[in-house]
Amino acid sequence: AQSVAQPEDQVNVAEGNPLTVKCTYSVSGNPYLFWYVQYPNRGLQFLLKYITGDNLVKGSYGFEAEFNKSQTSFHLKKPSALVSDSALYFCAVTLRGNNDMRFGAGTRLTVKP
Amino acid sequence: GAGVSQSPSNKVTEKGKDVELRCDPISGHTALYWYRQSLGQGLEFLIYFQGNSAPDKSGLPSDRFSAERTGGSVSTLTIQRTQQEDSAVYLCASSPRRIAHTYEQYFGPGTRLTVT
Repeated sequence: AQSVAQPEDQVNVAEGNPLTVKCTYSVSGNPYLFWYVQYPNRGLQFLLKYITGDNLVKGSYGFEAEFNKSQTSFHLKKPSALVSDSALYFCAVTLRGNNDMRFGAGTRLTVKP
Repeated sequence: GAGVSQSPSNKVTEKGKDVELRCDPISGHTALYWYRQSLGQGLEFLIYFQGNSAPDKSGLPSDRFSAERTGGSVSTLTIQRTQQEDSAVYLCASSPRRIAHTYEQYFGPGTRLTVT
């Protein structure tokens, strides 16, 4: 079965600094990888996905993520953090033909002015 | 347009009672998912519906949990004889494509269930 790990419960960065939210995955096959964000009192929103093709994928709000097969990672990055990026971020993985999307435990990102 | 809606937004129930949670997916979306989000945990997959196919119930934690989707649209998640460990936020998501796992899911705001 597939799984993801988000090793950091909490990430704190200063506004304007680059941010990274880490995700590693475990699958037997080729993964489909996703990042979602959950703002306070709001539902989860899709940020970006990797299905196939270029390892660097760009998504909403200036976020990007790099698929690294050798390290089984899919870290979320942004060159310059905004206070409004503060939220709970979830990494998720599934496999072709598999209905079961596995989510990580989430990482709370706090961007301080 | 309208997103995924869920009702009620909050539900407090006594241990042993049955509850029904409702999800209205985005019109035209063929795939529908239910998840459970417990405090400090990631989302736990519960069940998946795709069109008229038999649902994937592999994530349901016990036989107290069941779900149905009528007419390929509205879905109801039922929890019988609720237990305190059932307390969580129950999330519904829909997806617009048949090969749903390659496409992003659109989530509802969730139903916060508290079992006292």
